[in-house]
Amino acid sequence: GAVVSQHPSWVICKSGTSVKIECRSLDFQATTMFWYRQFPKQSLMLMATSNEGSKATYEQGVEKDKFLINHASLTLSTLTVTSAHPEDSSFYICSARILARSYNEQFFGPGTRLTVL
Amino acid sequence: SQQGEEDPQALSIQEGENATMNCSYKTSINNLQWYRQNSGRGLVHLILIRSNEREKHSGRLRVTLDTSKKSSSLLITASRAADTASYFCATGTQGGSEKLVFGKGMKLTVNP
Repeated sequence: GAVVSQHPSWVICKSGTSVKIECRSLDFQATTMFWYRQFPKQSLMLMATSNEGSKATYEQGVEKDKFLINHASLTLSTLTVTSAHPEDSSFYICSARILARSYNEQFFGPGTRLTVL
Repeated sequence: SQQGEEDPQALSIQEGENATMNCSYKTSINNLQWYRQNSGRGLVHLILIRSNEREKHSGRLRVTLDTSKKSSSLLITASRAADTASYFCATGTQGGSEKLVFGKGMKLTVNP
């Protein structure tokens, strides 16, 4: 149980285009989903916290107009990288917190590698 | 320095040896978790230890937590080549925040 999927697993796009990444909790409902980015050989940096039916909360320094997050249901959150540029190339990972868990254990998706040419 | 820093940053051992990774943090926490990441993949949750716990075991994993020193250690016993991965500690803070703060990570290489 507690499986999180991401789609696509990798994407290559041209500079200036937008890319949408989906994060789904497959066998549980997730009240909260988190989006992270990870540069090579570095740790995960939290970008935003996504709650179903409400606006995402972005971390300091993360442009909300550039990284659009939509949490439309208890099993799906999407991250859209708008007008992508080469510096947006990174590994994007989502995670989901299980509804009604008393502590914040998160289950992670397999990640999406974005390469912007 | 960053919350949740692992020490050492890289460790190379032989199969069968034990591997110990340490993590330090700065603020008060609700829990501390250890994750594993294979190269280019997502994270796998290994173990969670709550702030009122001092030690926890799961298979070949042993985690300790010293809240007075704000530190934790992850011990992997009888390591295997398949344990080769990056390991991260992550802290969940008090006050109801759901966020996890990740450490820098530690690359473990287990040589066959």
